[in-house]
Amino acid sequence: NAGVMQNPRHLVRRRGQEARLRCSPMKGHSHVYWYRQLPEEGLKFMVYLQKENIIDESGMPKERFSAEFPKEGPSILRIQQVVRGDSAAYFCASSPGGADTEAFFGQGTRLTVV
Amino acid sequence: AQSVTQLDSQVPVFEEAPVELRCNYSSSVSVYLFWYVQYPNQGLQLLLKYLSGSTLVKGINGFEAEFNKSQTSFHLRKPSVHISDTAEYFCAVKAGGSYIPTFGRGTSLIVHP
Repeated sequence: NAGVMQNPRHLVRRRGQEARLRCSPMKGHSHVYWYRQLPEEGLKFMVYLQKENIIDESGMPKERFSAEFPKEGPSILRIQQVVRGDSAAYFCASSPGGADTEAFFGQGTRLTVV
Repeated sequence: AQSVTQLDSQVPVFEEAPVELRCNYSSSVSVYLFWYVQYPNQGLQLLLKYLSGSTLVKGINGFEAEFNKSQTSFHLRKPSVHISDTAEYFCAVKAGGSYIPTFGRGTSLIVHP
């Protein structure tokens, strides 16, 4: 049973370009979370999705950021018109659902904006 | 609202010494608590979790944690650390039936030979 798969592991974008981060959850998991990690700041929640639905996007900036989890295929976190401040590690996690289940994390995508 | 405070940003310790990493949570309702470890350039891996029952929880790699409801704490302990335990440790909470874990800022455990 493969774990949570994120790609790419490293992504370099110039300011103003778009970044697309992909996350394939563990088999059987229908819940996906996206977190952003900055040095000395821990993990900041961005968005929580179930298949075809955004459940909670309270941690995601209103502009330039969007997320989806289609019926088929991976979850996508999209950042439009990237700026230097978007440079961070972005982690995806999945769970089978339920408040008493843990989240399983991918290895992250490290985005660098130059 | 749920929140987690990890009081120590960095904990240096010598190999084979005991260690305690502190975690306090803020919630007035029932909670589920988790400790994760992150090695450099890796994702987070679950060490242990408290859902209910015994307040002393044992996890992988010799770690354990104790849930203390009156102190709203969930401190992580290991009686004898190894160099390989050097990593970032995160405490997380889900409160009141929330499906979204909230993480602390992390504690960097540095084990010296």
